[in-house]
Amino acid sequence: GENVEQHPSTLSVQEGDSAVIKCTYSDSASNYFPWYKQELGKGPQLIIDIRSNVGEKKDQRIAVTLNKTAKHFSLHITETQPEDSAVYFCADTGFQKLVFGTGTRLLVSP
Amino acid sequence: KAGVTQTPRYLIKTRGQQVTLSCSPISGHRSVSWYQQTPGQGLQFLFEYFSETQRNKGNFPGRFSGRQFSNSRSEMNVSTLELGDSALYLCASSLVFGNLGTEAFFGQGTRLTVV
Repeated sequence: GENVEQHPSTLSVQEGDSAVIKCTYSDSASNYFPWYKQELGKGPQLIIDIRSNVGEKKDQRIAVTLNKTAKHFSLHITETQPEDSAVYFCADTGFQKLVFGTGTRLLVSP
Repeated sequence: KAGVTQTPRYLIKTRGQQVTLSCSPISGHRSVSWYQQTPGQGLQFLFEYFSETQRNKGNFPGRFSGRQFSNSRSEMNVSTLELGDSALYLCASSLVFGNLGTEAFFGQGTRLTVV
């Protein structure tokens, strides 16, 4: 069925540390996996995405990896900064719509 | 390039009333999707419109409806409001139907409070 599991639900790190958020999807037909960042009072903002023909994609301090065999994909943030504090959502499009994970609240302490 | 615009930003309605929310997608985008966000249920898909036709629908009661106009602007309507309809309603626009492999961009949302 339609399901994207996301872990952890909360993540606290010190500034400069790395943060990793993991998601598992269910539909093997999924071929596009976006990540969104949502700050308080705002709509989700697309920060990075990956397609099924690619195993890894990097954009400055943010990277996403995809393991199609295991149906896992992960968001990696390096050298975290206080402004990275937000709720992060993974999603997949296996059912011709965005199905979101339950979100990870990331808190980066100075 | 203007982003996705949702109006109004905030609404307070009474149980039993009906409400209409509006979404203007990014210029050139023809697909508009609507989502309900609540603390308990997260981000839930309501429906998607493409070229004025509803292409996909989530598991919401018939009180939730929508439409899309020829300029791609979309409205969603909720009739006979219930307290549980209090939520942030988000609109996302993308180039093509189904968000298949194309980026979806969200508006700021409309915060609906039902009292």
